[in-house]
Amino acid sequence: EIVLTQSPTTTAASPGEKVTITCLASSSVSNMYWYQQKSGASPKLLIYSTSSLASGVPDRFSGSGSGTSYSLTINTMEAEDAATYYCQQWSSNPLTFGSGTKLEIK
Amino acid sequence: QVTLKESGPGMLQPSKTLSLTCSFSGFSLSTSGMVVSWIRQPSGKSLEWLAAIDWDGDKYYNPSLKSRLTVSKDTSNTQVFLKITSVDIADTATYYCARSPYGGYYFDYWGQGVMVTVSS
Repeated sequence: EIVLTQSPTTTAASPGEKVTITCLASSSVSNMYWYQQKSGASPKLLIYSTSSLASGVPDRFSGSGSGTSYSLTINTMEAEDAATYYCQQWSSNPLTFGSGTKLEIK
Repeated sequence: QVTLKESGPGMLQPSKTLSLTCSFSGFSLSTSGMVVSWIRQPSGKSLEWLAAIDWDGDKYYNPSLKSRLTVSKDTSNTQVFLKITSVDIADTATYYCARSPYGGYYFDYWGQGVMVTVSS
């Protein structure tokens, strides 16, 4: 099983600040996917195939990476971006998710 | 418009079998490439993928739970089911169903989730 380790576990950012969340895979994966989950809601797809923006997602979100290291970047933090973010891989079975990064607004 | 909605018993006793239904609209599971998965999330914890079934009826399971899981779909290709046998307290979670689009190894639409509590 591929283990996805996210960092940081928790972070806070001021409006306008740049935020980067990292996801390290225990083995190489071909692509990474990112979700945003707000309290009490279902996860929402943000990024697919490492760097493609899902429909309706603001372009302040971006994804990059390869092999075992991937990242999600929010270019300019907004209050509505406060949420928990998860990475996900399905390069090998079973599909796995990262442990999550909780992002708070300062 | 794609929508998915989970339904389940809410609460059940340890050692029983949990039966969940995912009812969806806006797409058909008979369409080539479509996949519907079950994912769960204990309160305050991360997400765990459980099982998936594709348009061709092929089934995929998380090896850690495979012996307890059965995923299936109805003949109209508008519902997917999940059974988990011998539940215990550790199976208490919110259960989601989610769709993977053609050729996609991710989830573009999720249901609202159904909370299941295992308690005696």
